Amino acid sequence: GENVEQHPSTLSVQEGDSAVIKCTYSDSASNYFPWYKQELGKRPQLIIDIRSNVGEKKDQRIAVTLNKTAKHFSLHITETQPEDSAVYFCAEGGGSTLGRLYFGRGTQLTVWP
Amino acid sequence: AAGVIQSPRHLIKEKRETATLKCYPIPRHDTVYWYQQGPGQDPQFLISFYEKMQSDKGSIPDRFSAQQFSDYHSELNMSSLELGDSALYFCASSSGQGDYEQYFGPGTRLTVT
Repeated sequence: GENVEQHPSTLSVQEGDSAVIKCTYSDSASNYFPWYKQELGKRPQLIIDIRSNVGEKKDQRIAVTLNKTAKHFSLHITETQPEDSAVYFCAEGGGSTLGRLYFGRGTQLTVWP
Repeated sequence: AAGVIQSPRHLIKEKRETATLKCYPIPRHDTVYWYQQGPGQDPQFLISFYEKMQSDKGSIPDRFSAQQFSDYHSELNMSSLELGDSALYFCASSSGQGDYEQYFGPGTRLTVT
């Protein structure tokens, strides 16, 4: 994405391990940070999001943290399962972008059984 | 729950032909976004509409146009198709410009030969 850097581009973990994906952004006015999961040939699926007034949000095995000062946010998946294998995209929006989302380049997560 | 509907799901066109993609947002959603996703790439924002007015414009070629109708569905019109237009085209909807949660449709796979 134009304004978002995402790392790593590929990530392989053993089932049950944790996975962490990190993103940085440049627009200090951005205030909305969603994460999408996309399986091959399917739609991006919103899995969790965080707004700038919150530092951390958790939903079962998935959590997102945001550091506005450093302009980075991270996705944490615990107790990974083979079904978590997919491409994960971070995105940023709000602020000066009128609602459009800028996406990172994606992370191919593979969870080995 | 009702989701975003896109039609057609697959479309094959020849160079220089035209194509029309349709999007039906989630009921009561008044904002529609169009994204283009090439193979192995992140979604790229094309254009968005809020309450039937164009609200933002991204990297949309001049050969493309779009509109949102009174029932909030949207159509993306693509003319003088080029091989490079082959991609997945996603429509996403949200419940308003202040609500950034975007839910994606299943996409239209356009192949230009």
